Amino acid sequence: DGGITQSPKYLFRKEGQNVTLSCEQNLNHDAMYWYRQDPGQGLRLIYYSQIVNDFQKGDIAEGYSVSREKKESFPLTVTSAQKNPTAFYLCASSIEVEKELFFGEGSRLTVL
Amino acid sequence: QKEVEQNSGPLSVPEGAIASLNCTYSDRVSQSFFWYRQYSGKSPELIMSIYSNGDKEDGRFTAQLNKASQYVSLLIRDSQPSDSATYLCAVFGGTSYGKLTFGQGTILTVHP
Repeated sequence: DGGITQSPKYLFRKEGQNVTLSCEQNLNHDAMYWYRQDPGQGLRLIYYSQIVNDFQKGDIAEGYSVSREKKESFPLTVTSAQKNPTAFYLCASSIEVEKELFFGEGSRLTVL
Repeated sequence: QKEVEQNSGPLSVPEGAIASLNCTYSDRVSQSFFWYRQYSGKSPELIMSIYSNGDKEDGRFTAQLNKASQYVSLLIRDSQPSDSATYLCAVFGGTSYGKLTFGQGTILTVHP
């Protein structure tokens, strides 16, 4: 089955701990994205990658880091520098830049 | 001015009516426009993409684009209770190549 897999779906962490969210796609898509969504709000772009070994900061990159070592994988690390990490995190991919994005099911992170 | 702005909701329509959702964007160079539907607690799913001025129809959904007015809309004909969701407008920013920006979303409720 082709698709975008995010894991874990739910994650609880203590304040001050780094957390890595996984995003894998088997659609052979070039571009991948990470968004954050807070309750009642739209999606805000954290990082995006147009091609392997390259990525750009979005609007709210502070406190986050990413890597794109393989075409199918784009993990997001939420570091202890991120002041309000509790949110719904969404990974997406598109076949090429500026084409339709398709989303994974999301990861819900709660920092206690 | 926000990069992508949607008409304030929530919007409530009776079953069978036409629901009209509006979106304006600030970057004149933008070329790609999308509408996503998001049910509560779920990830966004793509409804429509539109790239050229005019109307694009897909079943009960019609997207309308007017680049001169920097305006994109979504019409839902014969609205059903299952259409009740948050609708997100998204625009690829022409001057920020590869960056997809979302509006804050409009909550639609279709009541029987």
